[in-house]
Amino acid sequence: GAVVSQHPSWVICKSGTSVKIECRSLDFQATTMFWYRQFPKQSLMLMATSNEGSKATYEQGVEKDKFLINHASLTLSTLTVTSAHPEDSSFYICSARDVGGAQETQYFGPGTRLLVL
Amino acid sequence: SQKIEQNSEALNIQEGKTATLTCNYTNYSPAYLQWYRQDPGRGPVFLLLIRENEKEKRKERLKVTFDTTLKQSLFHITASQPADSATYLCAAGGYGQNFVFGPGTRLSVLP
Repeated sequence: GAVVSQHPSWVICKSGTSVKIECRSLDFQATTMFWYRQFPKQSLMLMATSNEGSKATYEQGVEKDKFLINHASLTLSTLTVTSAHPEDSSFYICSARDVGGAQETQYFGPGTRLLVL
Repeated sequence: SQKIEQNSEALNIQEGKTATLTCNYTNYSPAYLQWYRQDPGRGPVFLLLIRENEKEKRKERLKVTFDTTLKQSLFHITASQPADSATYLCAAGGYGQNFVFGPGTRLSVLP
């Protein structure tokens, strides 16, 4: 089946630094990737939709200057948390929609746990 | 606003019994519902999708129903096993729209 990877799987950083998270579709092409954030014991909250070759679409309340998204190829999207603060600590999960598959099909990555000290 | 609710935050059942999880939606008419399994510290894994014109879907020990009148989906795991213990997420979607996830139900199957 389709596989989505994320790197790194976890990261600890100091407040004020920037952190980049990569999301890759390993065996399929994804024109659309999604970035979610999940706080403990809560559901996934969509942050933004990333489209290959164009600007990301951010959900209401998500700062686009803080969470920079780049989708430079059909298999890679990156999320950069700029000037991270402790309140940005969360579990970040990406998903990808297979170009050749049904529109409803999204494949999720394993997630990246971010801890900002 | 669109809202997805799952009946309980946590559900404990005995091994061998059938687990039934509920997903209700309001202010929404999704074209399909999906169920995912999420283990601690991991991303969701897709289990089943059911469309609005389908009443029931099965996959091995899993069964999903979709009642557009009640605005509800039921997710059943028959002959449950301790390995089925996880959080199960319901997600609603429409063509051209993004998913809306429910808060999840944490299932514990006791040996």
